[in-house]
Amino acid sequence: DAGVIQSPRHEVTEMGQEVTLRCKPISGHNSLFWYRQTMMRGLELLIYFNNNVPIDDSGMPEDRFSAKMPNASFSTLKIQPSEPRDSAVYFCASSFIAGAFTDTQYFGPGTRLTVL
Amino acid sequence: QKEVEQNSGPLSVPEGAIASLNCTYSDRGSQSFFWYRQYSGKSPELIMFIYSNGDKEDGRFTAQLNKASQYVSLLIRDSQPSDSATYLCAVVRDSSASKIIFGSGTRLSIRP
Repeated sequence: DAGVIQSPRHEVTEMGQEVTLRCKPISGHNSLFWYRQTMMRGLELLIYFNNNVPIDDSGMPEDRFSAKMPNASFSTLKIQPSEPRDSAVYFCASSFIAGAFTDTQYFGPGTRLTVL
Repeated sequence: QKEVEQNSGPLSVPEGAIASLNCTYSDRGSQSFFWYRQYSGKSPELIMFIYSNGDKEDGRFTAQLNKASQYVSLLIRDSQPSDSATYLCAVVRDSSASKIIFGSGTRLSIRP
């Protein structure tokens, strides 16, 4: 298995521009998670999907952030407009969840976002 | 109070010694506990998970869980320089089986 795939690996953009991060989860996994990691705040859960449905988006910082999962093999995280404080590493992770059983989360390589 | 707390470190341990990493959590109903290792510039990778009270061993790693005291620890025996990394403790809360909460991580440094 190729693991969780994220693109792009690095993104440099200017303040005010739209940024779209992409994720392909591991085949067969039914849950997908978007995280943001910074030195100051550590690893923060932004949103997670179960069976393509957003379950908890309480971690999304504000309306500038949106996430979609149109099918089981693809998800996007969009920031519009981007701001310098959005600079961070964004991780996507996937796992299999059945009822109360939670399998391990497998992380993608991350996207390092720099907003100038 | 944070839901999952770890000492940020850095924790410096001589090569060959035992490294002990600790984590406490606030939700008494938490059921699943994970330790992830993250090298600088890389993504977190799972080392161990534990569900039941007691010890769980896997090679040089031992996870210990004490639900009554609400702490989970990770012991690394015969520490190697390659163990130098940040170790993240993660907890799945009972109220939401699919939401995992991460601690801020402990930076471990193994000195030769």
